[in-house]
Amino acid sequence: QVQLVESGGGVVQPGRSLRLSCAASGFHFSGYAMKWVRQAPGRGLEWVAYTSYDETNKYYADSVKGRFTISRDNSKNTLYLQMNSLRAEDTAVYYCVRVNTFADYWGQGTLVTVSS
Amino acid sequence: DIQMTQSPSSVSASVGDRVTITCRASQPINSWLAWYQQKPGKAPKLVIYAASTLQSGVPSRFSGSGFGTDFTLTITSLQPEDFATYFCQQANHFPLTFGGGTKVEIK
Repeated sequence: QVQLVESGGGVVQPGRSLRLSCAASGFHFSGYAMKWVRQAPGRGLEWVAYTSYDETNKYYADSVKGRFTISRDNSKNTLYLQMNSLRAEDTAVYYCVRVNTFADYWGQGTLVTVSS
Repeated sequence: DIQMTQSPSSVSASVGDRVTITCRASQPINSWLAWYQQKPGKAPKLVIYAASTLQSGVPSRFSGSGFGTDFTLTITSLQPEDFATYFCQQANHFPLTFGGGTKVEIK
C-alpha cells in the first residue's frame, strides 16, 4: 500500500535551516509528481511547493519562494524540502503529498516549530 | 491567485442529517476541484476529485457537484465517522489554493 513517511521536523531558531524528508513506498515513486502542504496550528491548509515527476517543473507559494527548495531523489524514493531563513510563521505541520492529478495520498506530517 | 471561499465555516448536524457545503472559486476552474476530509490530529483524506468523482473507498453518501466557479459537497445521512473538517482545493492553476474549511460538528 502507498506509504509516505516524513521526517526531519523539530524546533529551530528563526533564520536557521531545516531539511525535511519524505520516504515513499508502495508505488512507482518516479512516475508521480509530489508536493508539500503545511498546516499551522489550528489553521487551514496551505500548499507550499510542487515538483513534477522528473523535477522539470517546480512551483512555490509566494510565502516561501526564494527560501524553500523542493527536490527529489527517484533512486531513493525520497522527496525533500530544504527550508532556509526560517520564520515564526513557518511553524506548521508539513505534509508530503502524492499528486495523481489531485492529492490522493498524504503522509502523517512532521511538525516544524520556529522559535527562539 | 484563485481565491477559494468555503461556506459555512461550521455546521452543527445530527446523525442521519443531510449536510451541504459550498465552495466558490474567484475565477473559473472547470472541474479542477477536490474535497478533503480531515479529522483532528490526522492528515487530510481525499473524498472527491474532479468536482464529482468519488475517491475509491469513500462511502456513496458523499457526492460532489459543480463546474466553473461554484461547487458543492453533499453528505446524505451523516454518520458518526463523518464529523470532521472538510476543505476544498482548486488544482487548475498555481498557486494551488484551499478553502478555509468547514467543520461539521455534532448537534
